[in-house]
Amino acid sequence: GAVVSQHPSWVICKSGTSVKIECRSLDFQATTMFWYRQFPKQSLMLMATSNEGSKATYEQGVEKDKFLINHASLTLSTLTVTSAHPEDSSFYICSARALTADSPLHFGNGTRLTVT
Amino acid sequence: TQLLEQSPQFLSIQEGENLTVYCNSSSVFSSLQWYRQEPGEGPVLLVTVVTGGEVKKLKRLTFQFGDARKDSSLHITAAQPGDTGLYLCAVDPATSGTYKYIFGTGTRLKVLA
Repeated sequence: GAVVSQHPSWVICKSGTSVKIECRSLDFQATTMFWYRQFPKQSLMLMATSNEGSKATYEQGVEKDKFLINHASLTLSTLTVTSAHPEDSSFYICSARALTADSPLHFGNGTRLTVT
Repeated sequence: TQLLEQSPQFLSIQEGENLTVYCNSSSVFSSLQWYRQEPGEGPVLLVTVVTGGEVKKLKRLTFQFGDARKDSSLHITAAQPGDTGLYLCAVDPATSGTYKYIFGTGTRLKVLA
């Protein structure tokens, strides 16, 4: 079945550094991928929609310069947390769907980011 | 205000008990999904309900979509420790199907052996 892979699964970085998270669709192409953020014991919050070959669209309240999204191919989207701070520590999850009609969303296993 | 309110937020029960989780909204949706998420992992799709009043069964899990397509319920019969996890309902609020899913507030279930 369709699989979405995220890398890394966890990362620890120092405050002020940038971190890149990759989201890959392994056996299907995805023109659109989605990035979510999840705080401990809370639900998923949609951050942005990643569009292959064009700019990402961000949800209200999400800083586009803070969370840089690049969707350079039909199987890869990256989320870069720039100048990370402890408040950026969270669980980041991506999702993608195949191009065929009525294809469901598939979620990656998430990336746990801890900023010290 | 949350688009999708789930209740209860937390539930701790003994193995073998039954339980029901609710997902409520004031809006009408063309479809609704239920997911289960385990710690450190992404959510996994359990079911999609589309028709008002629709009932779907997945082993010991029974899902129902409200007649008005504003709410849904998930009933688990004879819960097992393996059912432990975060249960999330989700909808695509756009009628054009953007797949920009909005998730419910979540129900954290713990089933004790």
